Amino acid sequence: GDSVTQTEGPVTLSEGTSLTVNCSYETKQYPTLFWYVQYPGEGPQLLFKVPKANEKGSNRGFEATYNKEATSFHLQKASVQESDSAVYYCALNVNTNTGKLTFGDGTVLTVKP
Amino acid sequence: GGIITQTPKFLIGQEGQKLTLKCQQNFNHDTMYWYRQDSGKGLRLIYYSITENDLQKGDLSEGYDASREKKSSFSLTVTSAQKNEMAVFLCASSPPSGYAEQFFGPGTRLTVL
Repeated sequence: GDSVTQTEGPVTLSEGTSLTVNCSYETKQYPTLFWYVQYPGEGPQLLFKVPKANEKGSNRGFEATYNKEATSFHLQKASVQESDSAVYYCALNVNTNTGKLTFGDGTVLTVKP
Repeated sequence: GGIITQTPKFLIGQEGQKLTLKCQQNFNHDTMYWYRQDSGKGLRLIYYSITENDLQKGDLSEGYDASREKKSSFSLTVTSAQKNEMAVFLCASSPPSGYAEQFFGPGTRLTVL
């Protein structure tokens, strides 16, 4: 079946430093890839999605490139803020009829001032 | 815009008890989902429904029932609560178009005594 593997957390960074959260996926089909973010006490919310290979998604200073050859979708941010502290989930969808998502285990990020 | 409401926010039950979680959405979305979120793990799909009165099992459906009697609501029943299923249960919805974003509710935290 389909699977997503991402950087094991927790990750702790100082404000102003750079972030990379690795995400690798396995599927025999052609996925759309997603990054979701979950703040404490809330449900996950979409950060961005990329439906096509070799394209980049971005939002709020975060970005990721859909690398089909490497089956990767790594999340990066050049300079993190304390408000970026959250859990980040990588996910994929291969079924347009159902919209079902396969999620990674999530990466907890804490940014210290 | 729209919103997903989950009730109750906190649910405490006894081992072996039957417990029901409710979810309402006003997006007018066709597809709704129930996920279980265990600490340190990703979101695992329990049930989903692509239209009123439709039910599809996810990867974690054993021990759960679901009901979609109206387009706007989707209920999940824990048929016999166990201590090892203490988790946050998340409801989500999405429109029918392919690779669409899922919108999540804030979750119901289940405690089993």
